[in-house]
Amino acid sequence: DQQVKQNSPSLSVQEGRISILNCDYTNSMFDYFLWYKKYPAEGPTFLISISSIKDKNEDGRFTVFLNKSAKHLSLHIVPSQPGDSAVYFCAASAEGNKLVFGAGTILRVKS
Amino acid sequence: NAGVMQNPRHLVRRRGQEARLRCSPMKGHSHVYWYRQLPEEGLKFMVYLQKENIIDESGMPKERFSAEFPKEGPSILRIQQVVRGDSAAYFCASSLRLAGGKDTQYFGPGTRLTVL
Repeated sequence: DQQVKQNSPSLSVQEGRISILNCDYTNSMFDYFLWYKKYPAEGPTFLISISSIKDKNEDGRFTVFLNKSAKHLSLHIVPSQPGDSAVYFCAASAEGNKLVFGAGTILRVKS
Repeated sequence: NAGVMQNPRHLVRRRGQEARLRCSPMKGHSHVYWYRQLPEEGLKFMVYLQKENIIDESGMPKERFSAEFPKEGPSILRIQQVVRGDSAAYFCASSLRLAGGKDTQYFGPGTRLTVL
């Protein structure tokens, strides 16, 4: 039962343009959402999060949007840089408990 | 380095041996989570521990796997009688467990277990 889905296995973007990574969830009990970035052979690195009481959170080049009615969130990276090339995981939790992860999206930023 | 520490980074075991994976949380964090990532998949929750307590082990296989977080020392994930299907990357995360559920987990570099 995949409660968190990232339907795009990969995304390729030109340097300087916007990268948009998408995530859908099914569990309406989720109240906290996070994005992690992961390089090969390393652990996930926390990027940005959003509480279910908000619809947008911004941190530098990274913005996360939450649409609760559609059970959808997205991560925008602008401008994209070659160093952003990595696997991006969407994760969700309910009442601060375990994280449920999506399968990840491989982002390639071409220079 | 105040980050989450895991060791060993790589562990090779033969079928039937035991694997012990260690995790030291970030300074000040008393909540530890273990996740497993199989090839080509996302991370899957295994167990959530506080000092001397297992809070949620709903993701742990019923047999051969155990976890502890003693009062002193690192958290240990123990896999007895390993099989090839246990080969995976095992990640530990820690958090402050803030009130209100806004609980960000920070991950260690992982232990890559290979079972021959």
